Amino acid sequence: SQQGEEDPQALSIQEGENATMNCSYKTSINNLQWYRQNSGRGLVHLILIRSNEREKHSGRLRVTLDTSKKSSSLLITASRAADTASYFCATDAGSNYQLIWGAGTKLIIKP
Amino acid sequence: DTAVSQTPKYLVTQMGNDKSIKCEQNLGHDTMYWYKQDSKKFLKIMFSYNNKELIINETVPNRFSPKSPDKAHLNLHINSLELGDSAVYFCASSQDLGSLGAQYFGPGTRLLVL
Repeated sequence: SQQGEEDPQALSIQEGENATMNCSYKTSINNLQWYRQNSGRGLVHLILIRSNEREKHSGRLRVTLDTSKKSSSLLITASRAADTASYFCATDAGSNYQLIWGAGTKLIIKP
Repeated sequence: DTAVSQTPKYLVTQMGNDKSIKCEQNLGHDTMYWYKQDSKKFLKIMFSYNNKELIINETVPNRFSPKSPDKAHLNLHINSLELGDSAVYFCASSQDLGSLGAQYFGPGTRLLVL
């Protein structure tokens, strides 16, 4: 079942601008993860944030988590053409031993 | 050097045929998964195995049968292929089942049933 919902579904920005994507989920979680999928490729793990963390950074990526609002955001700063991809959030959402995936945000960086 | 590999990358076949997709991971992970991604990019878990033991078997037609000969391999056999089976199938692995940490994906197998 799909728990996470990414917003927006698609985002097109100019190279160099910042891109922000949001993810909302429905039930309590232990962690939330973000993945990137380039066209025609497999998903690549970007960052994992635990429920007791509010913010995490990795290079140009910044992830925030608000467990009271059941939402997370992924910020990509100084975007590059190579950031063009679909971005997915996934949550552990309970003890069913599976990640629950969102539908993804398609990000296009215009040169 | 590839962490999670799948073969074949592309598979075009006729309805009614039987086909297999192979997956191998060299990360030393205990848990492996099969996912189906449809044309709208929705990712759906099909199966997961932990140390060769089936853990998750979502609502998947029994024409799909996974097999794990050892914890580094998880193959997927599909009988009597149907048009609706056309999708991209991803294999993935993670260190263990309980932590539900990062999953590492293969490049995908693009299946087209004609």
